Amino acid sequence: SQQGEEDPQALSIQEGENATMNCSYKTSINNLQWYRQNSGRGLVHLILIRSNEREKHSGRLRVTLDTSKKSSSLLITASRAADTASYFCATVHGSSNTGKLIFGQGTTLQVKP
Amino acid sequence: DVKVTQSSRYLVKRTGEKVFLECVQDMDHENMFWYRQDPGLGLRLIYFSYDVKMKEKGDIPEGYSVSREKKERFSLILESASTNQTSMYLCASRHHSIQRSYNEQFFGPGTRLTVL
Repeated sequence: SQQGEEDPQALSIQEGENATMNCSYKTSINNLQWYRQNSGRGLVHLILIRSNEREKHSGRLRVTLDTSKKSSSLLITASRAADTASYFCATVHGSSNTGKLIFGQGTTLQVKP
Repeated sequence: DVKVTQSSRYLVKRTGEKVFLECVQDMDHENMFWYRQDPGLGLRLIYFSYDVKMKEKGDIPEGYSVSREKKERFSLILESASTNQTSMYLCASRHHSIQRSYNEQFFGPGTRLTVL
């Protein structure tokens, strides 16, 4: 069953603006990961945040994790047209022995030049 | 950089055919995965493999089998293709987790399979 749910489902912004995507999940996690998928392509790993971490940065990306609310957010600052893609959160269940990823439905981001 | 390659970007097959989808990774990863991606359903795990000769069913294994004879190669087999197996198939690999600190997965470009 799908654990992560992204919000919004679609987002359209102008180049230079910030984009924020949210992810909610239902059970305790080992870690939460964000991936990007360009149209018709494979997924690219962006960032991983562990359950004992609250915030991580990578370039223009900022991820937060609130385990009490079972939610995470991905912020892309100073967006570019090349950021246009679908973004997925994926969780590893806290008691997992396999590290299986459970993906959300994704947020489709359009950045207009 | 990790490179995960899939044998075909696009594939068209007929109902009842046996279909092989091949995935190769070049980073000596122990774990490999096969997913399918469908609109409105997201990514769903079909099978995964911890290491050579090992395989585990994922969430939707029916109608599929897998083979992992060599560490770098993980094959997905559709024994008798059906139209409801028309989908985007994604392969991924991952370095083995140490102390249950699970790492990120690296994905191939995907194979868009159409079954007529």
